[in-house]
Amino acid sequence: ETGVTQTPRHLVMGMTNKKSLKCEQHLGHNAMYWYKQSAKKPLELMFVYSLEERVENNSVPSRFSPECPNSSHLFLHLHTLQPEDSALYLCASSQGPHYGYTFGSGTRLTVV
Amino acid sequence: SQQGEEDPQALSIQEGENATMNCSYKTSINNLQWYRQNSGRGLVHLILIRSNEREKHSGRLRVTLDTSKKSSSLLITASRAADTASYFCATSRNSGYALNFGKGTSLLVTP
Repeated sequence: ETGVTQTPRHLVMGMTNKKSLKCEQHLGHNAMYWYKQSAKKPLELMFVYSLEERVENNSVPSRFSPECPNSSHLFLHLHTLQPEDSALYLCASSQGPHYGYTFGSGTRLTVV
Repeated sequence: SQQGEEDPQALSIQEGENATMNCSYKTSINNLQWYRQNSGRGLVHLILIRSNEREKHSGRLRVTLDTSKKSSSLLITASRAADTASYFCATSRNSGYALNFGKGTSLLVTP
């Protein structure tokens, strides 16, 4: 247990489904992040929240919709995904922009 | 691009040997970090070195940073089978929150 908890660990969804990924941290960190990890590619930053405000959004398709209701929780809402969206989705938190990240174990998403 | 690039892509050594991985990047940074990932799990933060530091140690890990060459190295001494993992460097700019990762070095330590 790293201090950042992601659920579910595995998710298989059809292209017409709607699902949500959940991330929770109780480390007192101010910033939370969503990253996408695909095979043989560097981690891709998707979204950054600082004190519940979105501060970075890296040209992510609108079928991915983040939500940060408070500084401890972060969601990634998914709808009408494509097979190429299959990947490991990683949540992380940090004290701020120039500190180390604590990652969750990730959600392995398969879109069929 | 800001992201780091690790070298080599894969490294295979025997237990007890030292493992050295290198990272190069392209623009100025606030700090550089190294992470480990075990087979598709989350990344674990190993060490952070700031741009005004040249060397840092943590247990069996030694990290160096050469900002004039825009490069860093991670040395794992007396490696163990449990060190088998992928290792990533990540760079943080002076502005913004983004931490940019390389593709990683896959390390295999055999008994």
